[in-house]
Parts: sequence; C-alpha cells; structure tokens
Amino acid sequence: EAGVTQFPSHSVIEKGQTVTLRCDPISGHDNLYWYRRVMGKEIKFLLHFVKESKQDESGMPNNRFLAERTGGTYSTLKVQPAELEDSGVYFCASSQDRKYEQYFGPGTRLTVT
Amino acid sequence: LAKTTQPISMDSYEGQEVNITCSHNNIATNDYITWYQQFPSQGPRFIIQGYKTKVTNEVASLFIPADRKSSTLSLPRVSLSDTAVYYCLVGPFYNTDKLIFGTGTRLQVFP
Repeated sequence: EAGVTQFPSHSVIEKGQTVTLRCDPISGHDNLYWYRRVMGKEIKFLLHFVKESKQDESGMPNNRFLAERTGGTYSTLKVQPAELEDSGVYFCASSQDRKYEQYFGPGTRLTVT
Repeated sequence: LAKTTQPISMDSYEGQEVNITCSHNNIATNDYITWYQQFPSQGPRFIIQGYKTKVTNEVASLFIPADRKSSTLSLPRVSLSDTAVYYCLVGPFYNTDKLIFGTGTRLQVFP
C-alpha cells in the first residue's frame, strides 16, 4: 500500500511568488493534516481536513496560506505571496480514524529567497 | 495540552538498550502518551502509545509509572538504523487530532 506522498520534494521560489504544495494521502484515509517546521523551530500543526471539510485550521499562520481538499482526496496548500519566513519543511499526514497514529509524508522543503 | 520535557540528545552503541525519558508533570486524566520517530529527510513515524503501566510492540516498550508524570521509551538492542529523533507527545486520545511536537531527543547510535 502506498504511503502519503508529497510533491514537490523541494521548491525554491523568490519572495512574492506563489507556490502550491500537493499531498496525496493514503487511500481511504478521510483525515488529512498539514504541519510545518520552520528553521530551528518545532513541528507545528497547520490544519486538519475530514474529507473535504476543514475541521480545524487554527494553526494557519495568516491569510497568505490557503488549503483545499476538493473531492476529499488529495490536498493542496498554496502560499501567496510567499515571504522569507515561510521557508521550512511542510509535512502532510493522514489517518483513517481520529486518533494519534498519523502517517506522515516525506515533506516538501520550501525555500523562499 | 501537557508540555513535555525530554533530553536534547543521547548517544549509544549498537546492541545496547536505550531508554529515553520524557517528563509531563501536568498530564491530564484523559491524556495518552505517544512516541514518534523521525529519520532525516522523512516525516515522523508513530512508534507506540500508552496510558499507564507498560506497553510493548515489535519496535519498543513504553513504561509509565503510576503517577503518569513521566514515561520511558525503551529501545532494545539498538542498531545504526535507530539513529533518529524521538518525540514524546501527550494529549487526549480522541478529543483532538492536533499533534503537538516538542524538540525531541536526537539519538545517535555508534558502531
């Protein structure tokens, strides 16, 4: 069974540009989460989808970040416009039930220059 | 959610048993203790979860004393491939899906 996949693995963009990150959860997992680790900091929760609905978006830093999960399958996280402090690793995770065993993808390393 | 404290780093040698202790003095009655492992360039991976006493699976054991203010992750006979960062997380099992990661313990296993 395929795990959580994320694309791209690495993205380098200039400040002010737009970037879209994609996450494909494990098939059949209704719960999808986004986390990120910015340089030197801890992994932080961004938001949680249940199917196509946003269950909890309390961790989204500001309105430059937009997450979608149309059709309840894959999800995208768009950063527009990107700022230098957005650099870091963005992780996606999915789970079948609402429990602590979440399956993480390898992450997308975002570098904003 | 309860704050956790764990050592920043630990060193070990292949074949040894490694015990990583996590302090969570403010753990609540409905909180569970969960450990995740993260290898370089990968996302965290669930290892084990427990509420009290001892839990064992094919990867590790988790020891939780009666007061639940701390817990110990035990890795038997570590190998070089166990070199990773280990995170202790504490929170309610079903009430929230938000994982809160601390700084973790960076375990380095030497030959």
